[in-house]
Amino acid sequence: GAVVSQHPSWVICKSGTSVKIECRSLDFQATTMFWYRQFPKQSLMLMATSNEGSKATYEQGVEKDKFLINHASLTLSTLTVTSAHPEDSSFYICSAPTRDETRNTIYFGEGSWLTVV
Amino acid sequence: DAKTTQPPSMDCAEGRAANLPCNHSTISGNEYVYWYRQIHSQGPQYIIHGLKNNETNEMASLIITEDRKSSTLILPHATLRDTAVYYCIVRVRRDDKIIFGKGTRLHILP
Repeated sequence: GAVVSQHPSWVICKSGTSVKIECRSLDFQATTMFWYRQFPKQSLMLMATSNEGSKATYEQGVEKDKFLINHASLTLSTLTVTSAHPEDSSFYICSAPTRDETRNTIYFGEGSWLTVV
Repeated sequence: DAKTTQPPSMDCAEGRAANLPCNHSTISGNEYVYWYRQIHSQGPQYIIHGLKNNETNEMASLIITEDRKSSTLILPHATLRDTAVYYCIVRVRRDDKIIFGKGTRLHILP
């Protein structure tokens, strides 16, 4: 079935550095992808919508200069956390919808754990 | 904001049917009911979805009330591996954005 893959699964970075997380749709094209973050014991919070070939759309309260999103191809979206700080430590998850009418579901990546030290 | 209400947690004995309720009293005529689950430290997994008819697949059954204001996800024979947070979501089929509520934390008891 459709698979969405994230890389890396976990990453540790120093405070002040930037870190990039990739989200790939492996067997389908995704003109739109979504990025979520999740803190321990909380639900997923939608951060932004990644649009292939155009600017991302950010949810209210999410800093677009801090969380850079690039959707350069129909199978790849990247989230870059710039100048990371410990409070950015979280579980980041991407998702992508299929256009297959027989399935019509949104698939989620495995998630990426970010720890900023 | 999420358009659904779910109990925060439930327990179910292993081997028994787990029935997870969801209220969506403001659902629109073109909105589907979707269920996802999230096992600890993993991305959400699609379970099932429906519009107004009851649905069944290899994972679960979805029962939607006639007025569509509530639904129940049924896991027929719960196992320990079904321990997860279950999210009930309503969305228009072509609206891909998913807004998650708090979900139900299901504990399967041995």
